[in-house]
Amino acid sequence: EDKVVQSPLSLVVHEGDTVTLNCSYEVTNFRSLLWYKQEKKAPTFLFMLTSSGIEKKSGRLSSILDKKELFSILNITATQTGDSAVYLCAVANTPLVFGKGTRLSVIA
Amino acid sequence: GAGVSQSPRYKVAKRGQDVALRCDPISGHVSLFWYQQALGQGPEFLTYFQNEAQLDKSGLPSDRFFAERPEGSVSTLKIQRTQQEDSAVYLCASSPGPATSNQPQHFGDGTRLSIL
Repeated sequence: EDKVVQSPLSLVVHEGDTVTLNCSYEVTNFRSLLWYKQEKKAPTFLFMLTSSGIEKKSGRLSSILDKKELFSILNITATQTGDSAVYLCAVANTPLVFGKGTRLSVIA
Repeated sequence: GAGVSQSPRYKVAKRGQDVALRCDPISGHVSLFWYQQALGQGPEFLTYFQNEAQLDKSGLPSDRFFAERPEGSVSTLKIQRTQQEDSAVYLCASSPGPATSNQPQHFGDGTRLSIL
């Protein structure tokens, strides 16, 4: 059965800290791995990763995939209170298979 | 429209009632997905349409759940004889090409369904 496991499940940091969120997976037919940010509404797309070792960056966020060890990390540097959200990792088989998410709280 | 639109945003129903949830995907998007998200969990796949064809309904939890997309754009998820365990947020997502084209899915804000 396809499985995506995220850790930690929740995290509280202070503004300015750097955080690393983890995602490991086991799927039968891997095509890509995606990261989403979910505040109170729709999950919003952050990154899609298909190849190992190629870092994707967007401002203070970056992500990388290791297809040999079957995991990905999402890094957020210089965190701000606006980064507080649930971060979802999903693997594209045919539908997306999601992890439970990591709830990040950034306090001033 | 600019994004995926879902209605209603909130729905409260009594156990045993039927409900219908609507999704208006991004214009021109071929693929449409429905997910169910329970509190504190990640979204779980329900069903997938490519244009008007329902290609995968393996995630529908029971025959009380039915989805359609008759003209290949707007989709409706219907739940008959609702039960308390149906309470969840129902998310709709769309993507430009077929599911196999490896393009990101874009989500609507969801419908929060509460069954009393």
